[in-house]
Amino acid sequence: QKEVEQNSGPLSVPEGAIASLNCTYSDRGSQSFFWYRQYSGKSPELIMFIYSNGDKEDGRFTAQLNKASQYVSLLIRDSQPSDSATYLCAVNLYGGSQGNLIFGKGTKLSVKP
Amino acid sequence: DGGITQSPKYLFRKEGQNVTLSCEQNLNHDAMYWYRQDPGQGLRLIYYSQIVNDFQKGDIAEGYSVSREKKESFPLTVTSAQKNPTAFYLCASLGQGGANQPQHFGDGTRLSIL
Repeated sequence: QKEVEQNSGPLSVPEGAIASLNCTYSDRGSQSFFWYRQYSGKSPELIMFIYSNGDKEDGRFTAQLNKASQYVSLLIRDSQPSDSATYLCAVNLYGGSQGNLIFGKGTKLSVKP
Repeated sequence: DGGITQSPKYLFRKEGQNVTLSCEQNLNHDAMYWYRQDPGQGLRLIYYSQIVNDFQKGDIAEGYSVSREKKESFPLTVTSAQKNPTAFYLCASLGQGGANQPQHFGDGTRLSIL
């Protein structure tokens, strides 16, 4: 069974702190990795994607991928109350052009003012 | 503006009734997807289509049906065989460039039983 695991949280951090969200996946053949943010009652919106080992930075967000250890993480620097949401990790397990994603259940982040 | 439009935003189903959820995109994307999300859960794949007139079952296709007669449109029918249809339904599409490209989502349809 191909799986994507996330700690459901809630993860609570003070405003201005670094929030660290983690995701592990079961299939070593996984090709690409995505982080989506989902506000309550809304649809997911893409934050970042990564497919090479190492770090990828975009503003306050950094995605980190370690294929050998089969984990991907998202760091949010200078966390703001508006970052409070559920963060979904999604993994493309098949490569090629199929594009099918397996989603984790999400980690709920709460940023306290 | 380019994007994915889902309608209606809220839908109620009576016992024994089939209902159809609309998904239209003007992004010229080939691949389209339907997901179901239950409270506190991740997204689960119902059906997907990579090309017009072709579609494949996802992980939880039982009780659902789809069609893909036009590139822009991928409607989902929730049939009476789906005994627990209450959920948040999300449509997504994927552009050219293969698996390393992200899927983009519509705003979703929330389906409830009357």
